[in-house]
Amino acid sequence: DAGITQSPRHKVTETGTPVTLRCHQTENHRYMYWYRQDPGHGLRLIHYSYGVKDTDKGEVSDGYSVSRSKTEDFLLTLESATSSQTSVYFCAISETLLAGAYEQYFGPGTRLTVT
Amino acid sequence: GESVGLHLPTLSVQEGDNSIINCAYSNSASDYFIWYKQESGKGPQFIIDIRSNMDKRQGQRVTVLLNKTVKHLSLQIAATQPGDSAVYFCAEIDNTDKLIFGTGTRLQVFP
Repeated sequence: DAGITQSPRHKVTETGTPVTLRCHQTENHRYMYWYRQDPGHGLRLIHYSYGVKDTDKGEVSDGYSVSRSKTEDFLLTLESATSSQTSVYFCAISETLLAGAYEQYFGPGTRLTVT
Repeated sequence: GESVGLHLPTLSVQEGDNSIINCAYSNSASDYFIWYKQESGKGPQFIIDIRSNMDKRQGQRVTVLLNKTVKHLSLQIAATQPGDSAVYFCAEIDNTDKLIFGTGTRLQVFP
């Protein structure tokens, strides 16, 4: 998984509790992304980062916040988890657009269940 | 890793046959497309890409075809093997340089 780890790998939490997911990379890539994957929707972008302390919203950012204080770490926080946020969350990384290629490398995923 | 129990279109092929997985994209202005493979319990993995100025690109055992007229993309896998069993996603790069993923097709290979 291209030097990307996610923690925790599984989490069960209750509605209304805060949750933070961590993505850690060892590739020194500039861009980092958080996606969620749900049946019938494929992967949808939540937030992304284009550098330390530089982040922007994706397609489904409501209810989520992110932080990137170091190149290697990108945190996704659910301030008050809801059942609709039950999903599998993937982190991805990429370098700038390369000649002829634009690859995102994905982590192994975190399964989050909100009860 | 974890995979999602997706209710996906499924393509079943016999080992050794060729597979063709299709994808329709939405944005006629998209100029870059990627195919990803996702095995059970893992994150998506890059397979092959193609730019809009090309109609065809070949890799090892895989070929991607692009028909811009009808906004259609296909992935051909030659001599399909059991290890090819996975969910396959196409993705397009939108005008803000973000990936937009399709919902995926499950490929099942039987002996």
